[in-house]
Amino acid sequence: EVQLLESGGGLVQPGGSLRLSCETSGFTFSSYAMSWVRQAPGKGLEWVSGISGSAGSTYYAGSVKGRFTISRDNSRNTLYLQMNSLRAEDTAVYYCAKDRLGPYLPSHFDRWGRGTLVTVSS
Amino acid sequence: EIVLTQSPGTLSLSPGERATLSCRASQRISSNYLVWYQHKPGQAPRLLIYGTSSRATGIPDRFSGSGSGTDFTLTISRLEPEDFAVYYCQQYGDSPGWTFGQGTKVEIK
Repeated sequence: EVQLLESGGGLVQPGGSLRLSCETSGFTFSSYAMSWVRQAPGKGLEWVSGISGSAGSTYYAGSVKGRFTISRDNSRNTLYLQMNSLRAEDTAVYYCAKDRLGPYLPSHFDRWGRGTLVTVSS
Repeated sequence: EIVLTQSPGTLSLSPGERATLSCRASQRISSNYLVWYQHKPGQAPRLLIYGTSSRATGIPDRFSGSGSGTDFTLTISRLEPEDFAVYYCQQYGDSPGWTFGQGTKVEIK
């Protein structure tokens, strides 16, 4: 059974940093691109960042480019999101999502975690 | 960036009724690159439809998708109690600017 479990969320002050992790199991992790998608309180889903299966290519939404860094450790079947210079508008539930198609360009997502809450507030 | 606009914002229906959800794109999308998700509070989103009209694994046939160009539709033929949720469309034809619609909430009338 495919499982994705996010961790690392919490309360952080504006300008602070946080690192999210997503531990996965039940599939060949390196064979799939992965993404982070977030949902701010009362809002819809927003794609944040994606990474190819080999980690050779990374992609970012304009709202986080230069502040967030996505990475993966295929030996540990784990996806990461390093978030720096956090702002109040980054407050959201962050979901880890597995691509349906394969290892190349992120596209759409057939498995998701339950999310981890990040709150940016003083 | 392709903007997806979903309508209506909220759909109030009774179990057994038909639900028709709309997703309109600000520019043409290849039909291969339009998907639909179901999302319930506190749960992981669930892929329903990919490629405009193909049901994902395990999705019942009361869910169907259609459309082309800039106009796409998700139809739930007969609402079951477990279908009351928020539904999102998403496009991935404009990479790397993958975008979601703002969602349609299907609530019990």
